[in-house]
Amino acid sequence: DAKTTQPNSMESNEEEPVHLPCNHSTISGTDYIHWYRQLPSQGPEYVIHGLTSNVNNRMASLAIAEDRKSSTLILHRATLRDAAVYYCIRDTNFGNEKLTFGTGTRLTIIP
Amino acid sequence: DVKVTQSSRYLVKRTGEKVFLECVQDMDHENMFWYRQDPGLGLRLIYFSYDVKMKEKGDIPEGYSVSREKKERFSLILESASTNQTSMYLCATTSYMNTEAFFGQGTRLTVV
Repeated sequence: DAKTTQPNSMESNEEEPVHLPCNHSTISGTDYIHWYRQLPSQGPEYVIHGLTSNVNNRMASLAIAEDRKSSTLILHRATLRDAAVYYCIRDTNFGNEKLTFGTGTRLTIIP
Repeated sequence: DVKVTQSSRYLVKRTGEKVFLECVQDMDHENMFWYRQDPGLGLRLIYFSYDVKMKEKGDIPEGYSVSREKKERFSLILESASTNQTSMYLCATTSYMNTEAFFGQGTRLTVV
């Protein structure tokens, strides 16, 4: 039970922003939201994580709803190299936590 | 540069063979995980370990066992491989203080 819900697939045009949604309606107050992505033929890699406020790093931005029941990963300017499966997971960010992934969103970038 | 190394990228085994998949990390992380990945099913957790000699079942442990004799090494064992265990196997690690997970490149196992 991944406890998050994401669309199976999305498409976006190259050089345009991409908004990848994730629902986590049963999230607890101490759960962080983590995003990973998996490029073809590679293991998943960390993208970003956050708790309540919006977060930015060099790869992406994370917008978390005020009620924390959903979040959106934002790629500001998609490139062909961003084509991947994106996973949204929730985690306490501390301790010996079981990490559960789901099926993610397969993002296709159209040249 | 952090590293999670899986012993083989590709592996072909026969039905009934005992198979060992090895994962080694150089980050001194406490937690280690084994997943399998199949089309349409995403990553499914098989087993994880939060300390040496400790192991916990994940969501699909049947047909697998694990061993963690040293902190840096986590082995997945298929006691008697079957064709339905043909899959991509991924190892990951996290530390207690920061659960950013680091993954290996994966082992594509084919059981014939």
